Amino acid sequence: DIQMTQSPSSLSASVGDRVTITCRASQSISSYLNWYQQKPGKAPKLLIYAASSLQSGVPSRFSGSGSGTDFTLTISSLQPEDFATYYCQQSYSTPSGTFGPGTKVDIK
Amino acid sequence: EVQLVESGGGLVKPGRSLRLSCTASGFTFGDYAMSWFRQAPGKGLEWVGFIRSKAYGGTTEYAASVKGRFTISRDDSKSIAYLQMNSLKTEDTAVYYCTRLMVYAIRGGRLDYWGQGTLVTVSS
Repeated sequence: DIQMTQSPSSLSASVGDRVTITCRASQSISSYLNWYQQKPGKAPKLLIYAASSLQSGVPSRFSGSGSGTDFTLTISSLQPEDFATYYCQQSYSTPSGTFGPGTKVDIK
Repeated sequence: EVQLVESGGGLVKPGRSLRLSCTASGFTFGDYAMSWFRQAPGKGLEWVGFIRSKAYGGTTEYAASVKGRFTISRDDSKSIAYLQMNSLKTEDTAVYYCTRLMVYAIRGGRLDYWGQGTLVTVSS
């Protein structure tokens, strides 16, 4: 099974900050990597698919990069509505693509 | 507008059964695979299982933790996916989400729409 790790597990940031979250796969997954945002009490929301493609309707301050085993999600200028938990998910082994443990972004 | 609405959650005793429904709207339901995920309180996201579209046989796959106890089915005429959960255990307590799975041609995919989730609590 492919294992996913994320770092950091949590971070504190201010509005306007540039935020970077890292995701690593236990084996190469090419670009089969998605990113989701989840707010408390809500369902996850797809942000980025295929490592770097922005899902329709998602603000352009979100971007993704990477391939193989190492990936990043970047928020170029953090907004108040971005405080949430972010999950990466490998889709190499769709339909059972495993999620990372999440990175919680909260207010500094 | 694509919408997925789960229903059927609640409190159930260990060993009993429960059926969740996922009612879809805003897209041609029969054209898509559907997946179920769950999230235990304060925990991460766990894949439960999925069902292919009829064009790909309508077959199912399950996580090892639920295989033999859970069954996914679909009624394309009603745009509903079901998750039948039997022999429930306390460790099945979670919010259950249905998702639309956009499968790519060769491999991979993305979960582009999610329901709001329904809480299943297994406790005596």
